[in-house]
Amino acid sequence: GESVGLHLPTLSVQEGDNSIINCAYSNSASDYFIWYKQESGKGPQFIIDIRSNMDKRQGQRVTVLLNKTVKHLSLQIAATQPGDSAVYFCALNGNTGKLIFGQGTTLQVKP
Amino acid sequence: DAGVIQSPRHEVTEMGQEVTLRCKPISGHDYLFWYRQTMMRGLELLIYFNNNVPIDDSGMPEDRFSAKMPNASFSTLKIQPSEPRDSAVYFCASSLASGRNQPQHFGDGTRLSIL
Repeated sequence: GESVGLHLPTLSVQEGDNSIINCAYSNSASDYFIWYKQESGKGPQFIIDIRSNMDKRQGQRVTVLLNKTVKHLSLQIAATQPGDSAVYFCALNGNTGKLIFGQGTTLQVKP
Repeated sequence: DAGVIQSPRHEVTEMGQEVTLRCKPISGHDYLFWYRQTMMRGLELLIYFNNNVPIDDSGMPEDRFSAKMPNASFSTLKIQPSEPRDSAVYFCASSLASGRNQPQHFGDGTRLSIL
C-alpha cells in the first residue's frame, strides 16, 4: 500500500540554527511532492514543491531534497526563526492522483 | 489575493443537530477538496470535486455526511444527524489540478464540536 512516514514527530532547534525535517514514502510511482506548514488554528500552508525530475529545489530560506532511490524527502530551513514554529507535513501524489499526507513533525524553535 | 474561505470558523452544537460547513474556493481553481483533521487520524480526504462534479467520495465516513458544489465558487459539507465522534477540524482546499502536479491551497478550517 501507499504510506508516508516521518522520522521524528517533534524537532527542537535553537533559533538561528538550520532545521531538517524528513519524510519517507513507499510509492515508487509518486512524482510530485509538497511540503506544508501548519500553524496553530490555521490550515496547512503551501511552502514548496518538487517534481520527480529534480532532486533539489530552493525557496526563500527553504530547500527541499528528493532522493528517489531511497524514497526520502527532506525540508531544510536555514537560520530557523521563532515564526517557523509549526507542524510541517510532507505530501505526495499516490496511485489515484490524490495527495497522501504524512503525520506531521512539530518544529519547536528555542530562543 | 483571496485564499480559500471557510465558514463558520467554529461551530458548537448538540448531537443530533444538522451541521453545514461552507467553502469558497480560490477563483479559477477547478478542483475542490474536503478534509477532516483529528489528532488520531491526521488529515483525511473526505471528497473532492472537479468542475463542480463529485469525483471521489470514498472518504466520506457514512451516509450522515453529504457534500455539494452547486457552482464554481461555493461548496457545502453537511452532517445530519451529527454525533460527538464527528468533532474535528474540517478543511476545504482548492487547486488547479487533482494533485498530480499542483499544490492544494487550504482554508483555515472549521473547528466543529459536537456535544
